[in-house]
Amino acid sequence: DAKTTQPTSMDCAEGRAANLPCNHSTISGNEYVYWYRQIHSQGPQYIIHGLKNNETNEMASLIITEDRKSSTLILPHATLRDTAVYYCIVRLYNNNDMRFGAGTRLTVKP
Amino acid sequence: NAGVMQNPRHLVRRRGQEARLRCSPVKGHSHVYWYRQLPEEGLKFMVYLQKENIIDESGMPKERFSAEFPKEGPSILRIQQVVRGDSAAYFCASSPLVETQYFGPGTRLLVL
Repeated sequence: DAKTTQPTSMDCAEGRAANLPCNHSTISGNEYVYWYRQIHSQGPQYIIHGLKNNETNEMASLIITEDRKSSTLILPHATLRDTAVYYCIVRLYNNNDMRFGAGTRLTVKP
Repeated sequence: NAGVMQNPRHLVRRRGQEARLRCSPVKGHSHVYWYRQLPEEGLKFMVYLQKENIIDESGMPKERFSAEFPKEGPSILRIQQVVRGDSAAYFCASSPLVETQYFGPGTRLLVL
């Protein structure tokens, strides 16, 4: 699986959009981009995933660049409950293990 | 719909004892995965099972650790003769096919 690079930490004001970047310059054509988050002491929570096209669900939007070398997770209106570590993972669709890196620690401030 | 369930949520063992961690996947999911998270680190894959079969155990320590997913009942991660280095959070995930994995709340193992 391709390696990902994320900033160690980010802050965001409550009510504002949180934009979390992820670089995956060695991604291959059949690898998906997955996002999970882990709120303190809880299990990872699935957020969204995509291959080429931008994706949106009730939690977030995923913007993937045309060359697929990077992506951005967008939380449109961050709340204090969105404070968590966010993991960007690149994997083959049928690969067994999710390779969790260090992630980005997002702190939403009032 | 119930998500992935794990029990116990917290487990304390003394060195040399056995630890048994249980995972009940989402109803209808036949694929189970176990991960370990050491303090201040990311999750590390341990093993992937389908009903009655171990598919990939490339992340399992060679000794003392075993996993099963019987035809009936939960998946079990078993750690024999625990040592202090086994203290960690153990997460189970399940999926209907080999695709998006949904995680349970974890079991936090503390070895005294």
